[in-house]
Amino acid sequence: DTGVSQDPRHKITKRGQNVTFRCDPISEHNRLYWYRQTLGQGPEFLTYFQNEAQLEKSRLLSDRFSAERPKGSFSTLEIQRTEQGDSAMYLCASSPQKRTSGTDTQYFGPGTRLTVL
Amino acid sequence: AQKVTQAQTEISVVEKEDVTLDCVYETRDTTYYLFWYKQPPSGELVFLIRRNSFDEQNEISGRYSWNFQKSTSSFNFTITASQVVDSAVYFCALSGTTSGTYKYIFGTGTRLKVLA
Repeated sequence: DTGVSQDPRHKITKRGQNVTFRCDPISEHNRLYWYRQTLGQGPEFLTYFQNEAQLEKSRLLSDRFSAERPKGSFSTLEIQRTEQGDSAMYLCASSPQKRTSGTDTQYFGPGTRLTVL
Repeated sequence: AQKVTQAQTEISVVEKEDVTLDCVYETRDTTYYLFWYKQPPSGELVFLIRRNSFDEQNEISGRYSWNFQKSTSSFNFTITASQVVDSAVYFCALSGTTSGTYKYIFGTGTRLKVLA
């Protein structure tokens, strides 16, 4: 299996611009997660999809953030009107649904590093 | 509330030394899962181990070993005979089950520097 891929790997933008990131999960993984990691911190959960349904959103995900997963395959994370505080690494992870309940192991992509000037 | 604490911000050791990375967690869930991930300079989080709350057996994998103790809510990670390639940031993570979600709660990480 190829791993989780993310595009772009780096993005530099000016404050106020919109940006969109893409995540391609491991094939046949029906759960997909987005996390944000700032310098010196651990990843923080943003949102979670099971297939195409977005089942949970963190309070960190302000109205300027939107995520989609059309057809339950790849996912996009869009940030509108970027602010300097949005500068961070955005990580995507996927997991299979082997268990009817409980947690499956998440496999992470290389991340997209966003710098807002 | 769930929380993971990694009190060691940075550890430096000389190659071939043993090193233990501490992880303490808090959760009200009776069933939960614990994880360790490695984040090398490239940035990608690499899965190392998963443990569920009802399995307190210690685990050894090559130079890596994990000590899970529910009584102290700890899940510590030991690297034996460390190598320069072990240099990375290591994260401990927790996932509960009663909320019905599968998100991970990460600690702030421990940066390990192994000096040649």
